[in-house]
Amino acid sequence: GAGVSQSPRYKVAKRGQDVALRCDPISGHVSLFWYQQALGQGPEFLTYFQNEAQLDKSGLPSDRFFAERPEGSVSTLKIQRTQQEDSAVYLCASSLVAALGNQPQHFGDGTRLSIL
Amino acid sequence: DQQVKQNSPSLSVQEGRISILNCDYTNSMFDYFLWYKKYPAEGPTFLISISSIKDKNEDGRFTVFLNKSAKHLSLHIVPSQPGDSAVYFCAASEVGTSYGKLTFGQGTILTVHP
Repeated sequence: GAGVSQSPRYKVAKRGQDVALRCDPISGHVSLFWYQQALGQGPEFLTYFQNEAQLDKSGLPSDRFFAERPEGSVSTLKIQRTQQEDSAVYLCASSLVAALGNQPQHFGDGTRLSIL
Repeated sequence: DQQVKQNSPSLSVQEGRISILNCDYTNSMFDYFLWYKKYPAEGPTFLISISSIKDKNEDGRFTVFLNKSAKHLSLHIVPSQPGDSAVYFCAASEVGTSYGKLTFGQGTILTVHP
């Protein structure tokens, strides 16, 4: 499809397990963002990639969170030793041009992560 | 520290009338503002944006107004339609951030009654 694709849509894991969330951005989009959305809140920034370079990871809540985009297209967000507070919807967004910052981001439908 | 605030958790409007959604921000470095619409179990969908050099931007039924001195923006939907019922998020990005990291408000649930 033409939009941002995320998988899986839903993920249930036991506390302490590792999870990996995938994002396929819109083809040709340079910029890729990950956001975390808690119930009843707006999305919160986690990390940003420009092509394969991770230029900002200031929003990652702990060193258990790790993201990569090795070939500048698909990105994976990994959470190690999951905790209940990690339960949220994880949104991926991409945009075409990074340079000026005034480009709308296009979001995927998210992965809803539930930690038991 | 909530830099972008949507103080109305919900808004109910009759079909055909105007819907006005409000947003306040505290960071004077924000220079690009966006509104997103979100249906349940879907990701946010971009609606309309405005740069800080403008005070109004219009796209069909949607108009965004920016008052920089008051650090306030609003989204007007005229006329409102039942299909507009969704959660609306205000978002902002900061000068000097070359890639547009967004700061979101908490969202306003809009219900348009037939």
